[in-house]
Amino acid sequence: RKEVEQDPGPFNVPEGATVAFNCTYSNSASQSFFWYRQDCRKEPKLLMSVYSSGNEDGRFTAQLNRASQYISLLIRDSKLSDSATYLCAVNIGGGADGLTFGKGTHLIIQP
Amino acid sequence: NAGVTQTPKFRVLKTGQSMTLLCAQDMNHEYMYWYRQDPGMGLRLIHYSVGEGTTAKGEVPDGYNVSRLKKQNFLLGLESAAPSQTSVYFCASSFPGLAATDTQYFGPGTRLTVL
Repeated sequence: RKEVEQDPGPFNVPEGATVAFNCTYSNSASQSFFWYRQDCRKEPKLLMSVYSSGNEDGRFTAQLNRASQYISLLIRDSKLSDSATYLCAVNIGGGADGLTFGKGTHLIIQP
Repeated sequence: NAGVTQTPKFRVLKTGQSMTLLCAQDMNHEYMYWYRQDPGMGLRLIHYSVGEGTTAKGEVPDGYNVSRLKKQNFLLGLESAAPSQTSVYFCASSFPGLAATDTQYFGPGTRLTVL
């Protein structure tokens, strides 16, 4: 079965620090990649898509490493409001059967 | 534009009871999905649909049925609820296109407890 794996954490990080976490995927045919943010007892919300060339959105940077089959998320100048669970999601083969999600990485930003 | 909505938000069932969860989207999306999320298990795909009148099984379809009679609605049915179906159920929709744009948009979830 296709798999997507993440370190569940929790990552305890002081406010203002930089934090990074990775997500590995097992199927080299995977074609699209996403990071979602999920707050406690809420629905996942798209944080950013991950492009082959890497992409940045404000304090957030996503990278894709196809050779090693992982994606990464870097958060700079972390804020208390960044505390959440971050889910990576992979659409294998671009098929219609949806995204395969990792179990999420729990991030806690401490004041 | 409400996005993806789900009803009900909460429900408590007794073992053996049946119920239907409704998902509605107003974004004219072709694809719709039902996931369940359990502690330590992440999001798992139950069933999905690529268009009106079509459905397909996902990773964990047993004990569930679905219907997509209208493009904007995707129903998830539990015919005889079991305690193992206690979970948070999320509906999602997407518009197929370039792989990188297959973003899924989620509803707020239904919290179901089966006693």
